[in-house]
Amino acid sequence: QKEVEQDPGPLSVPEGAIVSLNCTYSNSAFQYFMWYRQYSRKGPELLMYTYSSGNKEDGRFTAQVDKSSKYISLFIRDSQPSDSATYLCAMSSSRGSTLGRLYFGRGTQLTVWP
Amino acid sequence: DVKVTQSSRYLVKRTGEKVFLECVQDMDHENMFWYRQDPGLGLRLIYFSYDVKMKEKGDIPEGYSVSREKKERFSLILESASTNQTSMYLCASLSPNSDTEAFFGQGTRLTVV
Repeated sequence: QKEVEQDPGPLSVPEGAIVSLNCTYSNSAFQYFMWYRQYSRKGPELLMYTYSSGNKEDGRFTAQVDKSSKYISLFIRDSQPSDSATYLCAMSSSRGSTLGRLYFGRGTQLTVWP
Repeated sequence: DVKVTQSSRYLVKRTGEKVFLECVQDMDHENMFWYRQDPGLGLRLIYFSYDVKMKEKGDIPEGYSVSREKKERFSLILESASTNQTSMYLCASLSPNSDTEAFFGQGTRLTVV
């Protein structure tokens, strides 16, 4: 079983829709949860970062972490064609460790059509 | 802004060639990583380094080696390129003392023919 599971999609929605992207994980030691956005032919860029359980909001984006269920979500409100990208979840058990590394999901490809 | 720069965007190499992929970061980050990204498989960690001359195997190190002679530079070496190493290679850097997380380069699309 992979440490992090993410449905690769693809997901196709109309402009203005609410998008829900999800990941599950198996390692209860994960404390740091991230969402990266990757446009075509580019490297991933950090979109949202959450420590432990709870919600975090940034504009149209909301990240949720439910550690009891080992489940994280990213919601995109009022989706735009510019949101079309691959979204990768990532997590780690340590941030300050010299051996800190990230565990990635496979990524979900999202297309928002006008 | 942190910059992670990979030396090439596109490379075409022949089977059996020795291939060097270079990555440079300008923010004095301690940790650097090499991933490959393939459709349906996501990002897979090849090697990482948390200090100069230090390296650790990731999940798929076979057929690869790395070099970190200076803090800002992390090189990935394909000792004898094979067609199954055709992939997108991504370098990342991370400061363990920062509020932000890993920064990625633009990627190198390597084709081995």
